[in-house]
Amino acid sequence: KQEVTQIPAALSVPEGENLVLNCSFTDSAIYNLQWFRQDPGKGLTSLLLIQSSQREQTSGRLNASLDKSSGRSTLYIAASQPGDSATYLCAVYGGATNKLIFGTGTLLAVQP
Amino acid sequence: GAVVSQHPSRVICKSGTSVKIECRSLDFQATTMFWYRQFPKKSLMLMATSNEGSKATYEQGVEKDKFLINHASLTLSTLTVTSAHPEDSSFYICSARDWGGASYEQYFGPGTRLTVT
Repeated sequence: KQEVTQIPAALSVPEGENLVLNCSFTDSAIYNLQWFRQDPGKGLTSLLLIQSSQREQTSGRLNASLDKSSGRSTLYIAASQPGDSATYLCAVYGGATNKLIFGTGTLLAVQP
Repeated sequence: GAVVSQHPSRVICKSGTSVKIECRSLDFQATTMFWYRQFPKKSLMLMATSNEGSKATYEQGVEKDKFLINHASLTLSTLTVTSAHPEDSSFYICSARDWGGASYEQYFGPGTRLTVT
């Protein structure tokens, strides 16, 4: 059974810092991994999707990496801003189960 | 990118009544849609997988008679919470997969906040 864990559960940083969020998964037989952002009381915003054959994806200040063999992904946020404050969720899709399994989330607070 | 809508965004109902939530894929066909439930400060929990034209597949522990799912067309799935009780109060999010794309990416709706009084 696929289990997805995110560390840390919560993170508070001053504005301008670079930061890394971690995601680990137990079953490496995945098709892709997605990073999402969720603002309080809102739905999910897709940030990046990495296919299993890819090592990383970049979008603006965000860079996500994937090491499938070790079951790890990181989301790097450069020059953090207060507007980056949200909960960040990673999720993995494995073909055998046809399900997107979510991690536990990291609550990020960027202090102005 | 692909857009998924949900309606309503918020609903308050009395205990014992039924509530229907709609999920639509606006610019793509979704043969498969997913329904998630999210408790406060928790991650998303998959409730069921809905395939167009067939019965939904429910996750273990989810009551299929309480959470009725219908996926009658390639762009619409509905979740009906029957005989709602306060413990059904939650944030419900639907998702759709675009089988026309090669990435297996799932697109999420904005969610529906259900409050049962």
